[in-house]
Amino acid sequence: DQQVKQNSPSLSVQEGRISILNCDYTNSMFDYFLWYKKYPAEGPTFLISISSIKDKNEDGRFTVFLNKSAKHLSLHIVPSQPGDSAVYFCAAATGANNLFFGTGTRLTVIP
Amino acid sequence: EAEVAQSPRYKITEKSQAVAFWCDPISGHATLYWYRQILGQGPELLVQFQDESVVDDSQLPKDRFSAERLKGVDSTLKIQPAELGDSAMYLCASSPRGPSYNEQFFGPGTRLTVL
Repeated sequence: DQQVKQNSPSLSVQEGRISILNCDYTNSMFDYFLWYKKYPAEGPTFLISISSIKDKNEDGRFTVFLNKSAKHLSLHIVPSQPGDSAVYFCAAATGANNLFFGTGTRLTVIP
Repeated sequence: EAEVAQSPRYKITEKSQAVAFWCDPISGHATLYWYRQILGQGPELLVQFQDESVVDDSQLPKDRFSAERLKGVDSTLKIQPAELGDSAMYLCASSPRGPSYNEQFFGPGTRLTVL
């Protein structure tokens, strides 16, 4: 049973525009959410996180929004750059260091 | 910058053979994880160590998979015998001790192909 879902397997965005990646979860016990970025032939790298006590966290061009009532989070990248092209994984945790990953969204930023 | 090391990077084997993967976490990281990522899916936890002790191996197919972290530092994941369905990327990750540290640092992975 997939507890973390990324329903869009791919997304294409023009350079300079906003990229919005979405993630839904089913387990209301999740209290910490993370986004990882993965380039081909590399392991995932941590990008940004948010605690369930917040609804927004910003780090440079990356902002994560959390809507607990809808069990939904999103990652906004503004402005998008070609180097952002990668697979983005949403992950959720219950605070015990165990991460549950979504299936990933492949972002392509078109120059 | 400290990194999680894994070897080999690629492994091709025939079904029914034994394979082993090695992981060296970031120095000082007490928690070590092994994940399996099947193509088109997200990583799934196989086993988690806290120092040398197994914390969670509920998703590890124990009839063919084994994992150890004898001295609480590096770790080995073994599959014997390998099956066609084991073809996947095997990722190792580590994180510092502490409940506030949920960010896990991943190695480059070992891509296993079972023929």
